[in-house]
Amino acid sequence: AQRVTQPEKLLSVFKGAPVELKCNYSYSGSPELFWYVQYSRQRLQLLLRHISRESIKGFTADLNKGETSFHLKKPFAQEEDSAMYYCALRGTGRRALTFGSGTRLQVQP
Amino acid sequence: GAGVSQSPSNKVTEKGKDVELRCDPISGHTALYWYRQSLGQGLEFLIYFQGNSAPDKSGLPSDRFSAERTGGSVSTLTIQRTQQEDSAVYLCASSLTSEGYEQYFGPGTRLTVT
Repeated sequence: AQRVTQPEKLLSVFKGAPVELKCNYSYSGSPELFWYVQYSRQRLQLLLRHISRESIKGFTADLNKGETSFHLKKPFAQEEDSAMYYCALRGTGRRALTFGSGTRLQVQP
Repeated sequence: GAGVSQSPSNKVTEKGKDVELRCDPISGHTALYWYRQSLGQGLEFLIYFQGNSAPDKSGLPSDRFSAERTGGSVSTLTIQRTQQEDSAVYLCASSLTSEGYEQYFGPGTRLTVT
């Protein structure tokens, strides 16, 4: 079975502060990990995937297989980063995504 | 170009009635997914279509739920004899193929069963 855990329902930080959204997963094989984001009144959209190893909007995420984690980080939060963030996993042989329950990030001015 | 569209955007129905939710994927996308998002929960996979292959129905919560995809394009999710626990946002997504491509999500249909 595969599972994604996001332990924080809400993370509130001030503008300019560092942000870390936690994601842990359970999967016996080699998963693909993703972060999706949903801004207010917008659709769910892909933010980044671990195989790309890129920084999007200042966010990065490193897959740590030893700790089975894929935390999302940004050194300096901006107000426009306020949104709902979902961590997702895709296992081999299954094309659908398994999502975590999401973390709401609030960046205060 | 046009993204994934879903209709209706909101649906209120009485317990016991049947409902149909529609999804129009991005043109040319062969993979189509249905997910459900209940209050305070993450997205839950329901069903997945890839081309002409048999759909993966492993996420359907009961036999009251069914879906079809006609002509490899439009999909309809049907819920029979709706229950209050079916209240959720139903999201559709499509991708170019099922292999390693980004899933593009529609705006969702908010279903409320009274």
